[in-house]
Amino acid sequence: GENVGLHLPTLSVQEGDNSIINCAYSNSASDYFIWYKQESGKGPQFIIDIRSNMDKRQGQRVTVLLNKTVKHLSLQIAATQPGDSAVYFCAEMSGGSNYKLTFGKGTLLTVNP
Amino acid sequence: GAGVSQTPSNKVTEKGKYVELRCDPISGHTALYWYRQSLGQGPEFLIYFQGTGAADDSGLPNDRFFAVRPEGSVSTLKIQRTERGDSAVYLCASSPIAGATTGELFFGEGSRLTVL
Repeated sequence: GENVGLHLPTLSVQEGDNSIINCAYSNSASDYFIWYKQESGKGPQFIIDIRSNMDKRQGQRVTVLLNKTVKHLSLQIAATQPGDSAVYFCAEMSGGSNYKLTFGKGTLLTVNP
Repeated sequence: GAGVSQTPSNKVTEKGKYVELRCDPISGHTALYWYRQSLGQGPEFLIYFQGTGAADDSGLPNDRFFAVRPEGSVSTLKIQRTERGDSAVYLCASSPIAGATTGELFFGEGSRLTVL
């Protein structure tokens, strides 16, 4: 399959700062992207998604940006809190499937109090 | 229960043994998925069920792996003749509608398998 990978394996921020987690993908046919959060010892938890016909989508304290030109997406977390500490995965679903997710490697976010 | 339940949470076995991992999805969810997660990696797709049938088992690594969902609810992942390379966390997920175009899967906490 195509690669969905991350620029930074680890990110450390101060509580209250904004966090930006990046993800690059190589499959130009990918048309749907999702961010998941995984806390230690738990399963991944859905955060937010975006379709390829959009550039930006906002949720509660989170924003996902999609740049199809350079095949890059990012997850922005506003006012990062200690509870945001986790591994964050981007995942993609290509046009040939409406159920199979391909996950990237993950970025470990550590929030310092 | 409120979420996806997986048992056992931890399983240690010896090379060559047979293992069964159980998944109880969220009530009413018709789609069920198995993923495998190795240390430091993202989850990798194994198999997808719509109801009772395996709609896509293309992610199963070889014929030692098999999964069933006989009544369209609980699923069991079966691994024969386990090898050390099978050691990983096996994640089960479910979603409300089979084949829905959404990436929102509800994952369980996983079954950690260690093959000695």
